[in-house]
Amino acid sequence: EPEVTQTPSHQVTQMGQEVILRCVPISNHLYFYWYRQILGQKVEFLVSFYNNEISEKSEIFDDQFSVERPDGSNFTLKIRSTKLEDSAMYFCASRGTGVSEKLFFGSGTQLSVL
Amino acid sequence: AQSVTQLGSHVSVSEGALVLLRCNYSSSVPPYLFWYVQYPNQGLQLLLKYTSAATLVKGINGFEAEFKKSETSFHLTKPSAHMSDAAEYFCAVSDQGHGQNFVFGPGTRLSVLP
Repeated sequence: EPEVTQTPSHQVTQMGQEVILRCVPISNHLYFYWYRQILGQKVEFLVSFYNNEISEKSEIFDDQFSVERPDGSNFTLKIRSTKLEDSAMYFCASRGTGVSEKLFFGSGTQLSVL
Repeated sequence: AQSVTQLGSHVSVSEGALVLLRCNYSSSVPPYLFWYVQYPNQGLQLLLKYTSAATLVKGINGFEAEFKKSETSFHLTKPSAHMSDAAEYFCAVSDQGHGQNFVFGPGTRLSVLP
């Protein structure tokens, strides 16, 4: 089965630093998502992306966050100035064009902000 | 707005016993419903999905779920639990819109006792 890949698997950073989490969605998918999961809590929607623009974002996705599709294969999440509470597992997901299609998730990037 | 509730943050069953994980949803439009499983230190994998076809949906690893509109439920069942079923299970709902996002429930941790 095709896979969404995320790098790195674990990122450690100092508070206030910028981080970029990288994702390679499945090649023919057009919808891209970022979710996060704080340890022991539910999976929370951050942002969805389609046709080179954000289609929807949650309250969590404030001005510190941005997403980009810099080329035809990568999809990145940037956190400009990390805070302690940004520590979480970040999941990238993608899906095809059918409205009932499932999300394919990557294995996640564990972000630890010290 | 859509929402998902999962009754029971932690469910324990004996190996060979019936597994029942509860999910109720709220949606203003006909929903698509999904169950995802998360094994320790891994990403989210789709177990099964309901997309307005058959109300009883069969998924991987012997799991199935039944969509009951009158009860706004989509409970996950498996006739006989296996040790390898121990994981976190998330119910999710999405609408049929173009830029849909998936709303996840808080998750239920399933423990299987020998």
